[in-house]
Amino acid sequence: DSGVTQTPKHLITATGQRVTLRCSPRSGDLSVYWYQQSLDQGLQFLIQYYNGEERAKGNILERFSAQQFPDLHSELNLSSLELGDSALYFCASSVDFVSNIQYFGAGTRLSVL
Amino acid sequence: QKEVEQDPGPLSVPEGAIVSLNCTYSNSAFQYFMWYRQYSRKGPELLMYTYSSGNKEDGRFTAQVDKSSKYISLFIRDSQPSDSATYLCAMSEHQAGTALIFGKGTTLSVSS
Repeated sequence: DSGVTQTPKHLITATGQRVTLRCSPRSGDLSVYWYQQSLDQGLQFLIQYYNGEERAKGNILERFSAQQFPDLHSELNLSSLELGDSALYFCASSVDFVSNIQYFGAGTRLSVL
Repeated sequence: QKEVEQDPGPLSVPEGAIVSLNCTYSNSAFQYFMWYRQYSRKGPELLMYTYSSGNKEDGRFTAQVDKSSKYISLFIRDSQPSDSATYLCAMSEHQAGTALIFGKGTTLSVSS
């Protein structure tokens, strides 16, 4: 168990809908990273938050947004969903100022029908 | 060209074999190199972490980094069926605070 908790495990929804994925980082970790994993693209970095502030953006679509709350949990919001958004979404956390070792949650499997 | 290239396999070996997994990269600024293992329907878990060039050994696993060739390897000795998983290489420029750049992963199957 990595100590990173993601909910829900699975999400099935329709095109055009909006969903929210939740992540609780390991105790003491201030940084949260969101990644998308698909068969053709592999693990792709979406966005990073550090202690409530957005720090870096990767290949994140404008339809996607995220935030990190004062208790350090994070949410990834995906809107106007398309079939191509079907993927595994992972959250990772790290201590951040010590090393770049990131601990991953079990992921949320999103299926857009 | 992607920043990190990794042969997706699949790679099938008998139990007890030595396995070699490799990644090449194009960004010479990468200094921190990791190998993650991902079982089916699970999140990636860290196996090895190395800085700059050289070797690091941990039990049956050895990680090698050759920065001059922009090439990293993971060797698994005495492979076991429990090693069957997808192996992802990852790397970053900085020690902390930045996203990891991943290879697509190599799927390994070890048969008993």
